[in-house]
Amino acid sequence: DIQMTQSPSSLSASVGDRVTIACRASQSISTYLNWYQHKPGKAPKLLVYAASTLQSGVPSRFSGSGSGTDFTLTISSLQPEDFATYSCQQSYSTLPYTFGQGTKLEIK
Amino acid sequence: EVQLLESGGGLVQPGGSLRLSCVASGISFSNYAMNWVRQAPDKGLEWVSSISGSGSSTKYADSVKGRFTISRDNSKKTLYLQMNSLRDDDTGAYYCAKDREAVAGHNWFDLWGQGTLVTVSS
Repeated sequence: DIQMTQSPSSLSASVGDRVTIACRASQSISTYLNWYQHKPGKAPKLLVYAASTLQSGVPSRFSGSGSGTDFTLTISSLQPEDFATYSCQQSYSTLPYTFGQGTKLEIK
Repeated sequence: EVQLLESGGGLVQPGGSLRLSCVASGISFSNYAMNWVRQAPDKGLEWVSSISGSGSSTKYADSVKGRFTISRDNSKKTLYLQMNSLRDDDTGAYYCAKDREAVAGHNWFDLWGQGTLVTVSS
């Protein structure tokens, strides 16, 4: 199975900060990489698919980049509603889909 | 409203069974593959199982193969997960998630439910 590793595991930041979360695959996955946001008790939300395409309705302060094994999710200017956990998921190896361990973004 | 709503979670003893349900609204349910994804306490998300839009193809993670069964009733817009021989490490939040296509592939999950909690404990 393809292993996905995110860094950091947790991150403290302030409203207005620029934040970058990294995701590394154990082998090349081209651009088959998706990012999700999840909050306790709420439905997870797709943010970015195919490494860099923003899902409809997602604010433009979110962006994704990368290919091969290294990917990043960037939030250009943190808003209060952005404090959540972010997870990457590969869909290169169709099944099993695998996720990163998650990055918890907390208020500083 | 476009949404997925899970139910059926609860407390069960090791070795017991539970049946989870996920009702879809606002989508052409039979046009999409559906998935179950879980999250154990303080762990990352883990894909559990997938079923094609027609229900003819099913896939499972090795950790649940032979114990869990995914199914769907397109007339009721409902997805199911029958969980048997439950173990402590099956504890967690279980989410249903809609695939963007009718069959699993190089896809992503563009709609999720809020989850239902399963606790396996004696």
